[in-house]
Amino acid sequence: SQTIHQWPATLVQPVGSPLSLECTVEGTSNPNLYWYRQAAGRGLQLLFYSVGIGQISSEVPQNLSASRPQDRQFILSSKKLLLSDSGFYLCAWSARPGSTHYEQYFGPGTRLTVT
Amino acid sequence: SQQGEEDPQALSIQEGENATMNCSYKTSINNLQWYRQNSGRGLVHLILIRSNEREKHSGRLRVTLDTSKKSSSLLITASRAADTASYFCATDALGYSTLTFGKGTMLLVSP
Repeated sequence: SQTIHQWPATLVQPVGSPLSLECTVEGTSNPNLYWYRQAAGRGLQLLFYSVGIGQISSEVPQNLSASRPQDRQFILSSKKLLLSDSGFYLCAWSARPGSTHYEQYFGPGTRLTVT
Repeated sequence: SQQGEEDPQALSIQEGENATMNCSYKTSINNLQWYRQNSGRGLVHLILIRSNEREKHSGRLRVTLDTSKKSSSLLITASRAADTASYFCATDALGYSTLTFGKGTMLLVSP
């Protein structure tokens, strides 16, 4: 069966510090991968998605970046965090288009607080 | 702007009652999905309904889709305290490979 891991679970970082959040998927190949951010009491905002190694699409211009160094690894980074980067970050995967399933499967999330 | 918008924003009911949540969207879609999120956790996929379907059931869940009104509803029958969570609809617009989520309905089921 497929599983998705995210770490760390919680993170408190000062303004201006760097960020690296990691997401890995097991039990599937060639997944689409997604990074979302959820502000308190709000819906999900799509930040980045990837359809393959090294292929990243950005949905929202900001000081965050994403990379996909391996097929089942997705990394969210920042060189200098802002207060507004605080939130709940969720990684998700889905099967490639053309399959019968388009559901997204989410990781447990990372709670980031920028102080 | 958000593709999907849920209504109501919050819903409080007693165990055993039915809960109905609505979702409206703006553009033509391939599919509409419903997800559940327990507090502080990731989202869990509940059900997917395709644009050529009108109704779908899964256990105590019933989803309807009216493409002419660009709306969907999620009915949870005989609710339980464990159904307490936020519920989100998500749509994939024609020509796009990503989902757009609404802001969600927060459901509280009291024992």
